[in-house]
Amino acid sequence: AQSVTQLDSQVPVFEEAPVELRCNYSSSVSVYLFWYVQYPNQGLQLLLKYLSGSTLVKGINGFEAEFNKSQTSFHLRKPSVHISDTAEYFCAVSEMGNFNKFYFGSGTKLNVKP
Amino acid sequence: KAGVTQTPRYLIKTRGQQVTLSCSPISGHRSVSWYQQTPGQGLQFLFEYFSETQRNKGNFPGRFSGRQFSNSRSEMNVSTLELGDSALYLCASRQTSGGTTDTQYFGPGTRLTVL
Repeated sequence: AQSVTQLDSQVPVFEEAPVELRCNYSSSVSVYLFWYVQYPNQGLQLLLKYLSGSTLVKGINGFEAEFNKSQTSFHLRKPSVHISDTAEYFCAVSEMGNFNKFYFGSGTKLNVKP
Repeated sequence: KAGVTQTPRYLIKTRGQQVTLSCSPISGHRSVSWYQQTPGQGLQFLFEYFSETQRNKGNFPGRFSGRQFSNSRSEMNVSTLELGDSALYLCASRQTSGGTTDTQYFGPGTRLTVL
């Protein structure tokens, strides 16, 4: 991918509200898409991935994402967030070919308030 | 299966020293990648090794090097440490370097502090 853009560096939201974290990418080849979550002082944990098939992908902890090829987007959504969802979320793209090099976005910090 | 393990978890060094970090991938995974994470620069790709060969490389100076052993374990080395090398260093493994099995799994990281 030439780039992976996460437009929002921080997203504050109240508990039980819905949330959408945005991710756009640019690439001249086909891609695989991923969302990872990072809790403080921990590594990255895979939330969900799109490899092929249905463009709506469901992941762990009630998260889902939709791949939109025409808009080159892979936005992450959750209908009702919990305090425990407070973390940093990273969108990643793996380009097919070129040994599937991974590209990460700059991250979005989700802050869930009571 | 055990996850990706990294040792040590925390490390304190002084400027000019060198450091070696270790990563053991998930059993059966042949690809290991290294990333540097800092508050200012975010997550930056260092390099990837597959079957003991460096396949991809990020934009870091030659002070950063790595290697992979025949059992897929990997080490990265940073020589002549600078204050700016203070970061969380993350290791990730995947089964191959291509194909639909292509999901990276991350270790907990090594927190390096350079004084």
